[in-house]
Amino acid sequence: KQEVTQIPAALSVPEGENLVLNCSFTDSAIYNLQWFRQDPGKGLTSLLLIQSSQREQTSGRLNASLDKSSGRSTLYIAASQPGDSATYLCAVRPYGANNLFFGTGTRLTVIP
Amino acid sequence: EAGVTQSPTHLIKTRGQQVTLRCSPISGHTSVYWYQQALGLGLQFLLWYDEGEERNRGNFPPRFSGRQFPNYSSELNVNALELEDSALYLCASSPGRYSNQPQHFGDGTRLSIL
Repeated sequence: KQEVTQIPAALSVPEGENLVLNCSFTDSAIYNLQWFRQDPGKGLTSLLLIQSSQREQTSGRLNASLDKSSGRSTLYIAASQPGDSATYLCAVRPYGANNLFFGTGTRLTVIP
Repeated sequence: EAGVTQSPTHLIKTRGQQVTLRCSPISGHTSVYWYQQALGLGLQFLLWYDEGEERNRGNFPPRFSGRQFPNYSSELNVNALELEDSALYLCASSPGRYSNQPQHFGDGTRLSIL
C-alpha cells in the first residue's frame, strides 16, 4: 500500500526566506504527484501537478521537483510571504488507481 | 468557471442519525471523488464515481455510500452516524477516469457528531 510522508510537520520562517518542503512515497509506480495548499477550515487548492515523466513544474514563486525512482518530491517556495502561511499537502496517484494518497502535511507559518 | 461546490457548509448531527452531503463538480468533469479528513488521521479516500457508476471505494464500512446523478453531481450518504464520523468531508472532481489532469477540491462539509 502506498504511504506518503511529509517532513517537517511544521515549519516557521521569517518573511522573505526561501524554503523547501519535502514529500516521500513508498511505491514509485505513480501517474503523477500533486501539491496542495489548505487554509484552516477550508478545502484544498491545487498548486502544482507533476506527471511521472516530468522532473519539475513551476508556477510563480513555487517550484516542485519529482524524483520518482527515489520516491521523493520537494516544493520550493521563494521569497516567502505571510500570505503563504497554510498547510501544504502532497498527494500521489498510483498506477491502476484514480484516487489520491495524501501525506499528513506541513504546516507553514511565515512571520512578518 | 465555477469550481467544485459542496453543501451544506456545516452540519451537526447526533449518533445514530443519517446524513446526506452534496457535491457539484466543475462543468465538464465526469469524475467525482469523496475524501474524509478527520482530526489526526489525514485525508482518506472514500468513494469515486465516474459516468454514474461507483468505480472504487476506500476502506470504509458499507454505511458510507453515495451516488452520482446524470448531471455528474454526487451525494454522499452516511447512515448510523458514529462519533468518529466527525470530520471535514471533501469532494473533488476531474475530467474523467482516463484523464491525467489534476483533481480540484471544494471547500468541504464540516460534520460534527454529538
